[in-house]
Amino acid sequence: GAVVSQHPSRVICKSGTSVKIECRSLDFQATTMFWYRQFPKQSLMLMATSNEGSKATYEQGVEKDKFLINHASLTLSTLTVTSAHPEDSSFYICSASGGEWLSYEQYFGPGTRLTVT
Amino acid sequence: AQRVTQPEKLLSVFKGAPVELKCNYSYSGSPELFWYVQYSRQRLQLLLRHISRESIKGFTADLNKGETSFHLKKPFAQEEDSAMYYCALSDPRETSGSRLTFGEGTQLTVNP
Repeated sequence: GAVVSQHPSRVICKSGTSVKIECRSLDFQATTMFWYRQFPKQSLMLMATSNEGSKATYEQGVEKDKFLINHASLTLSTLTVTSAHPEDSSFYICSASGGEWLSYEQYFGPGTRLTVT
Repeated sequence: AQRVTQPEKLLSVFKGAPVELKCNYSYSGSPELFWYVQYSRQRLQLLLRHISRESIKGFTADLNKGETSFHLKKPFAQEEDSAMYYCALSDPRETSGSRLTFGEGTQLTVNP
């Protein structure tokens, strides 16, 4: 149980366009979802935390207008990279927490590889 | 600010040898600490958390508050233990969303 999916697994887009990444909890309700970014051979960096039905909380240095996060339901959160540039190319990973019922453990998605050309 | 440090980016041992992956943290308070593992081509998954005080796949980790460390140990490494290991910390006072701070990871290779 506690499976998290991400779609797409990899995407290539042109500079200046926007791209949306979906994160779904398949068999549990995620009260909180997290979005991370991972550069090659580096650690995961938390970008933002989102709770269903409320605005996301962004980490310091993360542009909220560039990385739009929507957590419209208890099983879906989306990250939209707006006006993407090559420096946004990265591996984006989401995780979902089922709250107290799942001991606040975070379950991770498989990640989305974004390449901006 | 909280920080997690894993001093070794790469660690290589032979099968059957003991292995220790180091993790140090800085945090003003009593953190919750975790070890996550990522096998090749798989997603990140929780290996163990210090509050559980359990052994998973032969791995154990003890929280040493005096040394602010949470090293991961296994007495006899197996080839299937080869993976990327991340130490992570969260603030237990954050009840709704336990934001994780990750270390940079240690790539463990267990040679036959």
